[in-house]
Amino acid sequence: EVQLVESGGGLVQPGGSLRLSCAASGFTFSRYGMHWVRQAPGKGLEYVSAITSNGGSTYYANSVKGRFTISRDNSKNTLYLQMGSLRAEDMALYYCARFGGSAAAGYDYWGLGTLVTVSS
Amino acid sequence: EIVLTQSPATLSLSPGERATLSCRASQSVSSYLAWYQQKPGQAPRLLIYDASNRATGIPTRFSGSGSGTDFTLTISSLEPEDFAVYYCQQRSDWPLTFGGGTKVEIK
Repeated sequence: EVQLVESGGGLVQPGGSLRLSCAASGFTFSRYGMHWVRQAPGKGLEYVSAITSNGGSTYYANSVKGRFTISRDNSKNTLYLQMGSLRAEDMALYYCARFGGSAAAGYDYWGLGTLVTVSS
Repeated sequence: EIVLTQSPATLSLSPGERATLSCRASQSVSSYLAWYQQKPGQAPRLLIYDASNRATGIPTRFSGSGSGTDFTLTISSLEPEDFAVYYCQQRSDWPLTFGGGTKVEIK
């Protein structure tokens, strides 16, 4: 069974940093691109960042470029999101999602999310 | 970046009725468009990818169509469990983007 479990969320002050993790199981992690998607309270979905299966390429939303860094450790089946210079508008539930590739070109599996609160 | 505009924002229908949801892109995304369903307190679920392909386990009452800039998600006959928020997403160009969502509510 495919599972994605996010962790690392919490309360952080504006300007602070946080590292999110997503532990993957039930599939060959190293074969899939992985993404972070967030959802502010009561709002819609927002793509945040993506990384290719081997970690060779990374992509970011304009709103987080230069502040967030996505990475992965295929030996640990874990995806990361290093978040810096956090702002009030970064407060959201952060999901990790597997990109299904050509067999299902979309986010075919999602975690339950980890909540990031930015407040002084 | 490519902007996706979904309409209507809210659709009020009764069970058994047909739902037609629209997603319009600010530039062509070819067929690289997906649809997701999200219920309160749950993660989204992939319904349709590449405009018209149903994801694994998705009932046949869900169908997608369109290409270029105009796309449609159709639910042929609404079941009680279909009342939710629906999002489109493009993967034609980075950054990937989502539409603002359409809420399908019970009339």
